[in-house]
This record gives sequence, C-alpha cells and structure tokens, in this order.
Amino acid sequence: DVKVTQSSRYLVKRTGEKVFLECVQDMDHENMFWYRQDPGLGLRLIYFSYDVKMKEKGDIPEGYSVSREKKERFSLILESASTNQTSMYLCASTPRGGGYGYTFGSGTRLTVV
Amino acid sequence: KNQVEQSPQSLIILEGKNCTLQCNYTVSPFSNLRWYKQDTGRGPVSLTIMTFSENTKSNGRYTATLDADTKQSSLHITASQLSDSASYICVVSRGNNRLAFGKGNQVVVIP
Repeated sequence: DVKVTQSSRYLVKRTGEKVFLECVQDMDHENMFWYRQDPGLGLRLIYFSYDVKMKEKGDIPEGYSVSREKKERFSLILESASTNQTSMYLCASTPRGGGYGYTFGSGTRLTVV
Repeated sequence: KNQVEQSPQSLIILEGKNCTLQCNYTVSPFSNLRWYKQDTGRGPVSLTIMTFSENTKSNGRYTATLDADTKQSSLHITASQLSDSASYICVVSRGNNRLAFGKGNQVVVIP
C-alpha cells in the first residue's frame, strides 16, 4: 500500500522557535506538496516541489520555507513560529504527470503557543 | 478565479439513511474531479476520481456523479453508517498539479 508519512501527529512549539515538519513518501513520486488546513478556509497550498532541490511557492508561502534534498523527503520549515501558524499541516505527493496518484499524509496538528 | 463550492456546509443524518452532497466548480481547464473523505484529525483519503468523460463512479456505498457541461458533481452516500461521519472534500484538478479545493461538507451520522 502506498504511503505518505508525516513524522508527527501533534506538535506544540513556542513562538519564535524554528520548526521542522517532515514528510516521507515511498511511491517514488516526483511531486510533493505542503498544505495547511484551517476551519472555514479549506486546504491552501504553501509550497510544492516537482523534483529534488526544486521548489515553487504556492498560494501562502510567507513565513515558510521548504527543503527537498532527497526524492522521498520533503520538509516544511517555519523559521520563527508564530501563533497564526497554528494549523493542521498536510503533506501530499503525486507522480510527475499528476493524474490518479494524489495521496495525502495523515497530517500534523501544530500548535504554537 | 478558480473556485469549488460545496453544499450543504454541514448536515446531520440518521444512521441507515441516504444523503447527497453537492459540488459546483468554475475551474478551467478541467482535468479530473476527486472526492476525499477526511476523518477528524486525519489526512484526506481518496474515495473517487472522475475524468471529463466519466459520469458516475462508485466506491462501495459512495457514488459520485459528474456533469462536466454544468460543472457539477455530487457524492451520494447510501445506507449511512456511524463511520461515515467525516468531512467530504471536493477537489478539482486543472492537470498541472495545482488543485482547487472545496471547503468540505461536514457529515454527522447519528444512531
């Protein structure tokens, strides 16, 4: 069974901390995505990567950066966490052509206090 | 602007009853439309995926329909179970790895 694994289900961090959210997929997918999901706003794209070391900004990249050093791993970085970054973060991956292989991870609920 | 609108925002149904969720979209160009089920605190799980030429697709008690002319889709849940309590998200793809998400239909099934 194909899998997208997010390292933490729940995370609590303090304002100003540097936060790393990790995502690993075992499907050899080229494309990986980071979304955040907030009540009433749905899923919003933060960043995506279509190849190793490649990245593109999504709709709400401010306050975030990403790293893709290996094909299977896509990291989301909050350089200095703020309370408005409290959210559910979802990672997803898909093969190069997109199509039917869009798979989500289980999500990381991040709380910044 | 590419938009996906879902209705109703939330609904409560009795166990064993049927329900239908609606999704209207203005996304263009259109590649495919997906319905996801998201349990509270978990990531979305794919239920169905339909391309332009597909009108209906079933996955167990879930049946999705697509009218690409009117840009409408529906998800029908038959004989609902308590485990159907979840958010159902309609997602439309333009074929370039960029997806447009609806805000979800929140379904609560009560015994």
